[in-house]
Amino acid sequence: TQLLEQSPQFLSIQEGENLTVYCNSSSVFSSLQWYRQEPGEGPVLLVTVVTGGEVKKLKRLTFQFGDARKDSSLHITAAQPGDTGLYLCAGLPLRGPSGSRLTFGEGTQLTVNP
Amino acid sequence: DTEVTQTPKHLVMGMTNKKSLKCEQHMGHRAMYWYKQKAKKPPELMFVYSYEKLSINESVPSRFSPECPNSSLLNLHLHALQPEDSALYLCASSQADRVFSGANVLTFGAGSRLTVL
Repeated sequence: TQLLEQSPQFLSIQEGENLTVYCNSSSVFSSLQWYRQEPGEGPVLLVTVVTGGEVKKLKRLTFQFGDARKDSSLHITAAQPGDTGLYLCAGLPLRGPSGSRLTFGEGTQLTVNP
Repeated sequence: DTEVTQTPKHLVMGMTNKKSLKCEQHMGHRAMYWYKQKAKKPPELMFVYSYEKLSINESVPSRFSPECPNSSLLNLHLHALQPEDSALYLCASSQADRVFSGANVLTFGAGSRLTVL
C-alpha cells in the first residue's frame, strides 16, 4: 500500500486550463513537500506546507495542506507549457517507526499542450 | 553555491564493465543520497550517507557500491550491472540532522542517465 497516493497519475491539458493534483494519505504528516521534475532534470522543491489548513501561493500555483494534515493539493491556474513535468508530493508520517525517512508519492505526470 | 553536480550526465555500459557515477555539493550538507528513478516514476531511495558514514542501505544489490570520500563527494561504483538497472540515478543532499525528520528538504542533482546494454 502506497503511503502517499497521488491523483491523477497522468494529466494532459491545453494551455490556459486550470487543474488540481491531489496527494492523500491515511497517516498524519508533520509537513508535506511538493517537488516538480522537468524532463532531464532532478526534482526541485516548490513548497513545504506545515500547518493544517495552510495555503501557500507561488505565482499561478496554490498549495493547500488539509486541516487534519493527511492530504494536500496543488492547483495550477491558467497552465502553461512550461508547467509540464512530474509533480511529486513527499513527506514523513508524524508517528512512523524509528528510522523512517522522506517518502515520495507516485507522482502526477502533467503535460500542457500549446 | 546551491547546486548538486552529477557526472556523467549520460553513461552507456556493458554488463561486464566497471564504471562510476560522481556527485559533488558545496552547501555544507552532511547527508548525501543516491536514488534510482525509472521513467515517470518517483525516485526510489538506494543509499544514505550521514557524516560520511553509510546510514541507510535499502537492500541494494552488491553490484552497486557507494562511497563517500569526504563531506562534499559521493560516488556510486557500478559493476556487472543488468539491463534492468538502466535508469536515471539521482544524487541529493540535505542537512544531516534532518534525515529522519519531516523537516528534511532534499536538493537534487540533474541525474546521470544510465543505459546498460
